[in-house]
Amino acid sequence: NAGVTQTPKFRVLKTGQSMTLLCAQDMNHEYMYWYRQDPGMGLRLIHYSVGEGTTAKGEVPDGYNVSRLKKQNFLLGLESAAPSQTSVYFCATKDVAYEQYFGPGTRLTVT
Amino acid sequence: AQKITQTQPGMFVQEKEAVTLDCTYDTSDPSYGLFWYKQPSSGEMIFLIYQGSYDQQNATEGRYSLNFQKARKSANLVISASQLGDSAMYFCAMREGVHFGNEKLTFGTGTRLTIIP
Repeated sequence: NAGVTQTPKFRVLKTGQSMTLLCAQDMNHEYMYWYRQDPGMGLRLIHYSVGEGTTAKGEVPDGYNVSRLKKQNFLLGLESAAPSQTSVYFCATKDVAYEQYFGPGTRLTVT
Repeated sequence: AQKITQTQPGMFVQEKEAVTLDCTYDTSDPSYGLFWYKQPSSGEMIFLIYQGSYDQQNATEGRYSLNFQKARKSANLVISASQLGDSAMYFCAMREGVHFGNEKLTFGTGTRLTIIP
């Protein structure tokens, strides 16, 4: 039972490159979230999904796109990476209870 | 205005002492939930405790308790008998409109707790 996994763990991109972060869960949770964590700013919600095939914008959605084609996977895409997107990205999932379960994080550096 | 405010960027506490981490929140919604998460140096986010706005009693989970003062809009985390393993970053978070399907969490900026042997 892996819980919530994130791929990759680390990545370095050049400005303008694109990439996709994968969040996978084996807990059959309906809700999935993408956050970014920057120093001194806590976690901020980028996008979230309340079920397969649905997505919604969070607090800081600009520059990111997401897809939830399968219930167990939530993809976060950066079409044209910018240095301002250097951050640690966390995926989280939730069932009908209140607690969110977090993945281990992906450290992304954009140069 | 900040929805979640954690005014202590860092705290140093002697091992075995109790520690209180402050959190104040701002919402006009009568239905909300408050969370505390721990982030050790390894980076993962660990759920500690939850308090619903309609809960009559303060939440407790082992050595963790949440001192919920609704009128003051505060939700302080109390850790009793601190241990070296409690050294970590602690985040307070809020979910508003819990009965209307709002699933979004708003986080504070965190408090870095260091336990001194």
